[in-house]
Amino acid sequence: GESVGLHLPTLSVQEGDNSIINCAYSNSASDYFIWYKQESGKGPQFIIDIRSNMDKRQGQRVTVLLNKTVKHLSLQIAATQPGDSAVYFCARAADKLIFGTGTRLQVFP
Amino acid sequence: EADIYQTPRYLVIGTGKKITLECSQTMGHDKMYWYQQDPGMELHLIHYSYGVNSTEKGDLSSESTVSRIRTEHFPLTLESARPSHTSQYLCASSGTGTANSYEQYFGPGTRLTVT
Repeated sequence: GESVGLHLPTLSVQEGDNSIINCAYSNSASDYFIWYKQESGKGPQFIIDIRSNMDKRQGQRVTVLLNKTVKHLSLQIAATQPGDSAVYFCARAADKLIFGTGTRLQVFP
Repeated sequence: EADIYQTPRYLVIGTGKKITLECSQTMGHDKMYWYQQDPGMELHLIHYSYGVNSTEKGDLSSESTVSRIRTEHFPLTLESARPSHTSQYLCASSGTGTANSYEQYFGPGTRLTVT
């Protein structure tokens, strides 16, 4: 079938290393951001969220950083494991969620 | 675990056939969405609904249509399938009145192949 959109950028990391996935946004009106993980053949799953009145939020092995000054969002994964291999999407809330392009994370031994 | 279901998971069908992709959620969410996604590519919103009898076109133009007669059900229909419709179709839902009303819960997707 005809493809739409851009091929996703890829981040390759070694197992055990930390991963940092970045996302830039252009609209300052959003007050809520989400990171999703999509494994092959599955729908996206919620990882972590952050509100615009926060700079940092931590979960289990994941940390999201929000820099409103430069309109940048990042997802940090500590001690990356093979099970972390997936496509990661950032999304910002408008009247509905606006998804970013996505980044493919590949973990090699 | 999100309670949102899509059937079929995989569908191979010939050109010109009418197809309906089913999506149901048991969370009582008022908002539902359909996305189209080619393998390894971005998510594109094609339809959404904010409640019963409400449907809107998304950001990506699509020849498909949707209906929302019941809160829990949001089927997508293609009247005449073509090879260009080959893609993965993802359904999602979100609810108002909850702590995370923006968070969307996704189904497993339907991978459609039109030959």
